[in-house]
Amino acid sequence: EVQLSESGGGLVQPGGSLRLSCAASGFTFSSYAMSWVRQAPGKGLEWVSDISGGGGGTYYADSVKGRFIIFRDYSKSTLYLQMNSLRAEDTAVYYCAKGGTSRAAFDFWGRGTLVTVSS
Amino acid sequence: DIQMTQSPFTLSASVGDRVTITCRASQSISRWLAWYQQKPGKAPKLLIYRASSLENGVPSRFSGSGSGTEFTLTISSLQPDDFAAYYCQQYNDYPWTFGQGTKVEIK
Repeated sequence: EVQLSESGGGLVQPGGSLRLSCAASGFTFSSYAMSWVRQAPGKGLEWVSDISGGGGGTYYADSVKGRFIIFRDYSKSTLYLQMNSLRAEDTAVYYCAKGGTSRAAFDFWGRGTLVTVSS
Repeated sequence: DIQMTQSPFTLSASVGDRVTITCRASQSISRWLAWYQQKPGKAPKLLIYRASSLENGVPSRFSGSGSGTEFTLTISSLQPDDFAAYYCQQYNDYPWTFGQGTKVEIK
């Protein structure tokens, strides 16, 4: 059974940093692209970042480019999102989502972790 | 960036109704379109991928159609469990983008 479990969210001041984690199980982690998608309170879904199965390809939304870094640890089957220079508009629930071995929709999602950026 | 526009924003319907949600892309995305259902406080759930392929375990009352720039999600007979928000998403080109969502409410 595929399971994705996010952690690392919390309250952080503007300009601060936070690292989110997503522990994955139930599938061959290295074979699948992984993504982060966020949802601001009461708003819709916004794709944040993708990383290919092999880790060689990373992609970012313009809103986070240069501030966020996506990476993965194959030994721990864990996906990460390093978030720097956080802004109030980064406040959201952050979901990790499993992609495919090639271009694919997100077929499994974690429960999400809330990030609140406020002074 | 490819803009995804859903309509309507809100839809009021009764159990048993046939419901259709439309998603338009600002440029052709072939059939690289997915539909998700989201209930309050929960993660999204994949319903449809490649515009018309039903994800495993999803009831057959859900169907998707379209290609290019025009897509539809149809629920053939609305059930109590279907009252939720629905999002389309293109994965033809980065950045992946979502529609703004359609909330299906009880009439």
